[in-house]
Amino acid sequence: KAGVTQTPRYLIKTRGQQVTLSCSPISGHRSVSWYQQTPGQGLQFLFEYFSETQRNKGNFPGRFSGRQFSNSRSEMNVSTLELGDSALYLCASSLKPGEMNTEAFFGQGTRLTVV
Amino acid sequence: LAKTTQPISMDSYEGQEVNITCSHNNIATNDYITWYQQFPSQGPRFIIQGYKTKVTNEVASLFIPADRKSSTLSLPRVSLSDTAVYYCLVEGAGGFKTIFGAGTRLFVKA
Repeated sequence: KAGVTQTPRYLIKTRGQQVTLSCSPISGHRSVSWYQQTPGQGLQFLFEYFSETQRNKGNFPGRFSGRQFSNSRSEMNVSTLELGDSALYLCASSLKPGEMNTEAFFGQGTRLTVV
Repeated sequence: LAKTTQPISMDSYEGQEVNITCSHNNIATNDYITWYQQFPSQGPRFIIQGYKTKVTNEVASLFIPADRKSSTLSLPRVSLSDTAVYYCLVEGAGGFKTIFGAGTRLFVKA
């Protein structure tokens, strides 16, 4: 079956712009989580969605937002981009969150560069 | 939230067993431990998961002592392709938590 698909794979934006990243989970998975990965900060949790509801949110400013659609696809949006937002943004999907033996599958990520 | 601590890096040789220990002193009763492997420019990949004692699958073993304040990922007979970053993650009933550790960079030499 198809894996987690993130689009686009690479993106270059200018400071002050906004960006929308997309994540299509594995078919049947209803939980989607987003992470930011930078060399200095490692993997940092952004937010988690399950059945179109945000269940958890990490410690990021309000410029970072997300949503999940009825087909479980998710988008995250970053407004007023800053240079420090340059990172690899990873999406993970699973059947249900917070249960053991529920493996999460990560996409290959979207590499965002802010110039 | 349970914070995790891992060694920053480890070196090994092909064929050796590698043990990577993760500390999670504040783990809650309902939390469980998951380990991921990540190669450059790829998303993390699930390796193994456990709650207590020992879990083994086709690629690794996970040892969790009775107090559950730490866990050890054991990779038997590593090969060059096991060179990667290994993350320990504490998860619980609330879903993913903000506690991916910094990861351990394992470098396997020939």
